[in-house]
Amino acid sequence: GDSVTQMEGPVTLSEEAFLTINCTYTATGYPSLFWYVQYPGEGLQLLLKATKADDKGSNKGFEATYRKETTSFHLEKGSVQVSDSAVYFCASISGGSNYKLTFGKGTLLTVNP
Amino acid sequence: DAGITQSPRHKVTETGTPVTLRCHQTENHRYMYWYRQDPGHGLRLIHYSYGVKDTDKGEVSDGYSVSRSKTEDFLLTLESATSSQTSVYFCAISVSRQAPGGNYGYTFGSGTRLTVV
Repeated sequence: GDSVTQMEGPVTLSEEAFLTINCTYTATGYPSLFWYVQYPGEGLQLLLKATKADDKGSNKGFEATYRKETTSFHLEKGSVQVSDSAVYFCASISGGSNYKLTFGKGTLLTVNP
Repeated sequence: DAGITQSPRHKVTETGTPVTLRCHQTENHRYMYWYRQDPGHGLRLIHYSYGVKDTDKGEVSDGYSVSRSKTEDFLLTLESATSSQTSVYFCAISVSRQAPGGNYGYTFGSGTRLTVV
């Protein structure tokens, strides 16, 4: 089945710093890839997605590019804000997982003013 | 908005008691899922449903059962709660009303925080 590995946290940054959260995947076939964000006390929200190789997903200043050659989908943001403090989950879905979403373990991001 | 409602939002129960969590959706989505979230484990799939009375196990199904007698409701039951089932439980639906996920992923409810004492 599918598996997703993302960098261990927690990650602590100062406001306006550059953010990278690494994510790699293992899947049968060609998965769709997602980043979800969970703000404190809330459920998961879709942040961005990419459905095929070389696609770039983007939203709220965050970006991630689907790299088939390195099986990666790293999340980046050029200038983080305090309001970006949350847990970020990388996820994949493919026929190999019977189209069930498979998550990484999550990365806690804290942004200090 | 897919209109997913989970109830209760919080519950404290005693070891050995049965507990039922409810997920309700208002837009006739065929595929529904139950996940649990635990520190260091991310989200793990418990059970899922692909239609009325059609359910299947996920990766952590032991100790849990589900039922789906109506399209809009997907119930998760802890048959005899244990402390290891203390967790946050999330219901999700496939964004596509009839397909199991694919390009669009899932929409999640707000979660139920369950504590077993």
